[in-house]
This record gives sequence, structure tokens and C-alpha cells, in this order.
Amino acid sequence: IQLTQSPSSLSASVGDRVTITCRASQGISSYLAWFQQKPGKAPKLLIYAASTLQSAVPSRFSGSGSGTDFTLTISSLQPEDFATYYCQQLNSYPITFGQGTRLEIK
Amino acid sequence: EVQLVESGGGLVQPGGSLRLSCAASGFTFSDHYMAWFRQAPGKGLEWVGRSRNKVNSYSTEYAASVKGRFTISRDDSKNSLYLQMNSLKTEDTAVYYCTRVRSAGAEYSDYWGQGTLVSVSS
Repeated sequence: IQLTQSPSSLSASVGDRVTITCRASQGISSYLAWFQQKPGKAPKLLIYAASTLQSAVPSRFSGSGSGTDFTLTISSLQPEDFATYYCQQLNSYPITFGQGTRLEIK
Repeated sequence: EVQLVESGGGLVQPGGSLRLSCAASGFTFSDHYMAWFRQAPGKGLEWVGRSRNKVNSYSTEYAASVKGRFTISRDDSKNSLYLQMNSLKTEDTAVYYCTRVRSAGAEYSDYWGQGTLVSVSS
């Protein structure tokens, strides 16, 4: 299953509302996760089951969608949110990722 | 506190072998599925494979790119996960991450180690 994220990169300012989309090549129900990765660090799970916030993740992060179309929204960007974001599908093997969305400071 | 610490990475020649280890602490290791992921320099994330727990017969799944060359094993008595990598290729160069799978069912990886770098080059 191929996942296509858009945009591939994004410039935004602190306080902005940002939405990243992930489209699956076939239906994956709600078996989707979102990760945040900062340079030189391991990925961090933000959202699983498309919309469930992982423990200790700030509530400004939210996820939605099912089937083939999904979104990750950051309601009010904070300085620590500038990173690369990946979606991941776990509906079927092999587990696959989107190509990533790089979120940069404007 | 959940901790995963990978070790065993390094420089190896094409065709060579390497064994990665992942030491787990802060949770009941034997209860959880565990997985390996990798990330080539400057590239995205790639799933390598997964080991289920004892209740599920330690069954494994692998990505097509590593199947037949890589083997995932675990030692619950040592709270450790392993990745045996044989017949290494230059395209296996990557940071390898060990992860804990949150629960059986959909295999979300909720904790990741810091990664260990494997470089395959002559």
C-alpha cells in the first residue's frame, strides 16, 4: 500500500494552523499513525488509529480520516513543532510510510 | 520509564554479516511484539520486520527487501531483541531502530530506541 503525503514541504509561522494530508493507494480503514521526527532523533508517535492521541502528546495535534484520506492538524504551531512528519499504514504487510512532510519556519 | 537501547552497528563490507541488539527496560518485554525499522541517510522510514510474543509463537514478518537475509529473534529472559543481518548490501546502509509495539492487533510502535548506524561499504 502506497502512502502519498502532501505537501512534501511546508513553511509556516509560530501560531499558524497547519494541515498535512496522507492518501493511501487503497482503503486502510483507520490503521494509520502519524510520527514526528527531528534531525538526528528517533521518530515519535503522535497519533494512532487515525485519530487517537498518544499519551503525553500535546492536544494541539489531532488526526482524522478513514479509508484512503487522512489528515494531521496542528492547531497552533509552536517552535518545537518544526520537524518532519510521516504517516504510516498498518492495515496490511508490508507496513509502509509516506515520504514525509518537512515543516519549516517561515 | 520505557527504554530501548540498540547496539552492534558499524562498518561492514558488502556480503558481510552483522548482529544488532536491542536492550529493553521499563516494561514487561515478554508481553510485547517488537519491531525493527531503518532509515537510510537523508531518506524516509522503512519497516524491516517484526517479532510477535511467546503467546503468538514468536512469529516473524519481514519486508521483501530483507527477507531471506535478515532474521529477527528475541531472548525474553534477557529482555533483548536481535537482528541478524547476512549478505549485506550497500543499500542496507541505514540507521536501524528497535521499537516496542503498543499492543497486539494493529502494530503501532509507541517507543523507539535512539538507533544504531550500519554502514555497508568496501
